[in-house]
Amino acid sequence: TQLLEQSPQFLSIQEGENLTVYCNSSSVFSSLQWYRQEPGEGPVLLVTVVTGGEVKKLKRLTFQFGDARKDSSLHITAAQPGDTGLYLCAGAFSGGGADGLTFGKGTHLIIQP
Amino acid sequence: DTGVSQDPRHKITKRGQNVTFRCDPISEHNRLYWYRQTLGQGPEFLTYFQNEAQLEKSRLLSDRFSAERPKGSFSTLEIQRTEQGDSAMYLCASSFPDRFYGYTFGSGTRLTVV
Repeated sequence: TQLLEQSPQFLSIQEGENLTVYCNSSSVFSSLQWYRQEPGEGPVLLVTVVTGGEVKKLKRLTFQFGDARKDSSLHITAAQPGDTGLYLCAGAFSGGGADGLTFGKGTHLIIQP
Repeated sequence: DTGVSQDPRHKITKRGQNVTFRCDPISEHNRLYWYRQTLGQGPEFLTYFQNEAQLEKSRLLSDRFSAERPKGSFSTLEIQRTEQGDSAMYLCASSFPDRFYGYTFGSGTRLTVV
């Protein structure tokens, strides 16, 4: 069973600060996705990364895929209270989707005004 | 398109009863997935369909769990003889069959077994 570890599990910071969340696996991903989930709702896709070394930006969020496609990071610049939520990384270990996505446990992020 | 719809949003049932959840995916998506999420955990993959074919079901939690997608459109997930440990959020997602595309999740069905 492929495992996917996220760190930190919990993070509480002040508005305006920067933060980075990490996602690691011992296995190679065929693709990796980041989702944000709010209480009582399903996860919402933020980004998909496929190529090793790939960097994608979504406003104040920067996503990076490791060169070896075994790790990824999410960096948020000047965090705002609206960024509060559960951030999940999810990896596909086969291109055909036979394994489904494997999710990490998530990072619970709280941005305090 | 209204996205992925799940019904009901909440279900409270007594232990031993059977429950069935429905998922209506995005119409253009031919892949449909079921996940379970318990408190403090990320979603856990259960099964998936490509059109009407169930291509992976070994990850269903027990033989009390079954899923169907009879005409390649909506899907149902049934849990027979529910147990308290089945209490969780059941999520449905749909996608195109390509690793470049992410999943679109529904809002989930929150099951509470009492």
